[in-house]
Amino acid sequence: GAVVSQHPSRVICKSGTSVKIECRSLDFQATTMFWYRQFPKQSLMLMATSNEGSKATYEQGVEKDKFLINHASLTLSTLTVTSAHPEDSSFYICSAIRGGQPQHFGDGTRLSIL
Amino acid sequence: GQQLNQSPQSMFIQEGEDVSMNCTSSSIFNTWLWYKQDPGEGPVLLIALYKAGELTSNGRLTAQFGITRKDSFLNISASIPSDVGIYFCAGQLKTSGSRLTFGEGTQLTVNP
Repeated sequence: GAVVSQHPSRVICKSGTSVKIECRSLDFQATTMFWYRQFPKQSLMLMATSNEGSKATYEQGVEKDKFLINHASLTLSTLTVTSAHPEDSSFYICSAIRGGQPQHFGDGTRLSIL
Repeated sequence: GQQLNQSPQSMFIQEGEDVSMNCTSSSIFNTWLWYKQDPGEGPVLLIALYKAGELTSNGRLTAQFGITRKDSFLNISASIPSDVGIYFCAGQLKTSGSRLTFGEGTQLTVNP
């Protein structure tokens, strides 16, 4: 069964709205979670590494103030897209590491900004 | 940074045919992973490879970790319609923590 839960699965909102996406590890503690962005017909692009209890590590070119990441507990990381605009429309996917296993991915959040 | 070249970009095959796709890199990876992504969903892990030369199977899927540590292939035998999706390779460096570098994906279409 699923080991990583992502919510919501789809969001449609107006330009200027801030949107929060949740990523939860189910039945295990994840000290590290990852946030990806995926455009249609493209691969996954790592945005940031979310570390429990500390600041996220952002990839080059990703705006920290635009994409706020909070990893307040060992089972929850949140990504907030602040003041979203149409160009922020994308498929956002989180993943978590369980023990020494490869990354397990959530089912993604389709964000559409009108 | 590291780049993974995945080929082919897309494949159109008949049900029952075998499929092969591969990834190459300019860098050496310590781990190779193969994921499948269905439309509107997150990637699902198919096979993980941890040793150079390793050949691992998962049902009709077989993947190998290249001896040079710079490449990997995935074979699917006797394809079925539910094999349709995008297949991604991903490499992991020991020095990069658990960060993954993804290939560009192979879109597989299986005609019944």
